[in-house]
Amino acid sequence: GEDVEQSLFLSVREGDSSVINCTYTDSSSTYLYWYKQEPGAGLQLLTYIFSNMDMKQDQRLTVLLNKKDKHLSLRIADTQTGDSAIYFCADITGNQFYFGTGTSLTVIP
Amino acid sequence: DAGITQSPRHKVTETGTPVTLRCHQTENHRYMYWYRQDPGHGLRLIHYSYGVKDTDKGEVSDGYSVSRSKTEDFLLTLESATSSQTSVYFCAIRGGRSDEQFFGPGTRLTVL
Repeated sequence: GEDVEQSLFLSVREGDSSVINCTYTDSSSTYLYWYKQEPGAGLQLLTYIFSNMDMKQDQRLTVLLNKKDKHLSLRIADTQTGDSAIYFCADITGNQFYFGTGTSLTVIP
Repeated sequence: DAGITQSPRHKVTETGTPVTLRCHQTENHRYMYWYRQDPGHGLRLIHYSYGVKDTDKGEVSDGYSVSRSKTEDFLLTLESATSSQTSVYFCAIRGGRSDEQFFGPGTRLTVL
């Protein structure tokens, strides 16, 4: 099956940029997603990118997709303490979604 | 927020007992999913449904069964709970412009 990988932890200072990376193996994915999970809550969709795009910007969020290397990244500009959470990348292949292990982002005031 | 709820939100049970978790949606979406979330594993798919009475297995389906008799309800059953099934269970529906999933709030299940 599909294999989606992320680093487990990231720590940044408030106001800096955060970059969370993800690699995947299935090149047939139509969409790739970034979800955010706050403690004790379900996952919420942050943003997504269609597979024929290289970049998508949405306010403080920038998604970059390198299809050749099967690499996806999420950049959060001007990171705030409220951005502390776990971030999951995911893709869809057929009817199934595949999630990475999640990256725990800690923002230091 | 997508109309998706889970019940119960918390449950403690003993090994060998049956457990049923319920997912309810008000969005009339065709696809519904059950995942479990464990540290270091992210979300792993247990079962999903693509319509009433239509279900399929996911990556970690052993020990779990599902039923969907109505569009709005998707039930996950542990026939005989084991300690390895202690986890947080999330239900999701699929829809939206980018075919994304919307998640319920989760059920924390502890099997003693």
